[in-house]
Amino acid sequence: GAGVSQSPSNKVTEKGKDVELRCDPISGHTALYWYRQSLGQGLEFLIYFQGNSAPDKSGLPSDRFSAERTGGSVSTLTIQRTQQEDSAVYLCASSLDRNSPLHFGNGTRLTVT
Amino acid sequence: SQQGEEDPQALSIQEGENATMNCSYKTSINNLQWYRQNSGRGLVHLILIRSNEREKHSGRLRVTLDTSKKSSSLLITASRAADTASYFCATRLTGTASKLTFGTGTRLQVTL
Repeated sequence: GAGVSQSPSNKVTEKGKDVELRCDPISGHTALYWYRQSLGQGLEFLIYFQGNSAPDKSGLPSDRFSAERTGGSVSTLTIQRTQQEDSAVYLCASSLDRNSPLHFGNGTRLTVT
Repeated sequence: SQQGEEDPQALSIQEGENATMNCSYKTSINNLQWYRQNSGRGLVHLILIRSNEREKHSGRLRVTLDTSKKSSSLLITASRAADTASYFCATRLTGTASKLTFGTGTRLQVTL
């Protein structure tokens, strides 16, 4: 089986434009996370989906950020009206259940010009 | 916010030496995990230790957990140049459906 897949791997966008980042988790994994990592920094938690429970959105930095997970599988992170400070690597991870280790994708590097 | 803090932020050693990284956290946890990251790519899980465990081994890795001090350490023995990476601890709080939060990381450089 394939690992966690993220697309695109790189995205350059102009300030003010909307972007969508996609994550395909490992099949059967009930938990899905989005994190953001700025250059040389740690991981900043954004949002967490666990099964059919309401997602934990406590890490989303502003209302320009939103995420969906359709059918308990694919997830999309949307950033509206992008700003330069949104530039970072966006990492997606999935796990079999809430107590299992995370499997990470290789991330989407977002550059806002 | 609940987050692990790694110490040191950066560590440079020679091949063959041991590397020790520490992680401190703030409140009760369900488990603590260590991950490795090469060159800004996705993280790779190394080891998970539960709150009722005190020590775990995996190959050249040894992890300890002291819940009374709210701290953990990762020891890499007989380091190799290929161990050069950033290492992160991550904590999961007690309670249902709690998220996994990461620390700031230790950048390890192993030189020949």
